[in-house]
Amino acid sequence: EVQLQQSGAELVRPGTSVKLSCKVSGDTITAYYMHFVKQRPGQGLEWIGRIDPEDDSTKYAEKFKNKATLTADTSSNTAYLKLSSLTSEDTATYFCTTGSYGYWGQGVMVTVSS
Amino acid sequence: DIQMTQSPASLSASLGETVTIECLASEDIYSNLAWYQQKPGKSPQLLIYDASSLQDGVPSRFSGSESGTQYSLEINSLQSEDAATYFCQQHHDYPYTFGAGTKLELK
Repeated sequence: EVQLQQSGAELVRPGTSVKLSCKVSGDTITAYYMHFVKQRPGQGLEWIGRIDPEDDSTKYAEKFKNKATLTADTSSNTAYLKLSSLTSEDTATYFCTTGSYGYWGQGVMVTVSS
Repeated sequence: DIQMTQSPASLSASLGETVTIECLASEDIYSNLAWYQQKPGKSPQLLIYDASSLQDGVPSRFSGSESGTQYSLEINSLQSEDAATYFCQQHHDYPYTFGAGTKLELK
């Protein structure tokens, strides 16, 4: 069974960065494009971008191009989302997912507060 | 970007009823559409992929269809566990965009 295990909740200061992890088990990460999705409290879903761990190629939604960086480590079967220059607008739950294969991580809450 | 206009924003229905949720794509997405169910505090769960294919393990009372750029999710014989928020997402072109969501309440 494929499972996506995300790192724990983060409380971070405005202006700093945070790096979230998403570890794939039950299959090799190179079998999937890894997508990340943002959900602000009580709001809908926003697609941030995706990475192909096979060749590290990435696609981002325009609004996240200067905010998010996606990387992957095939040796550890893990994808990463780095968020930079954090503001209160970045307070949200972030999910990783394999897209149309239907596997999702449990989500990680990022709270940006001084 | 492809816009996904989802309706209604919310609806209330009774056990055993049938409800339909719709998503209108701003351009042709060639059936590259998924439907998700999300319950509070949980990750979204894939229900339907490729507009009408039922994901493994999803009850057959869920079905998807399309007509042009209009996509529909139908839930038959509503059960209490169907109370949730439902989202559509197109995966035809980047950025992959979601509908705004439909909150389904059971009376």
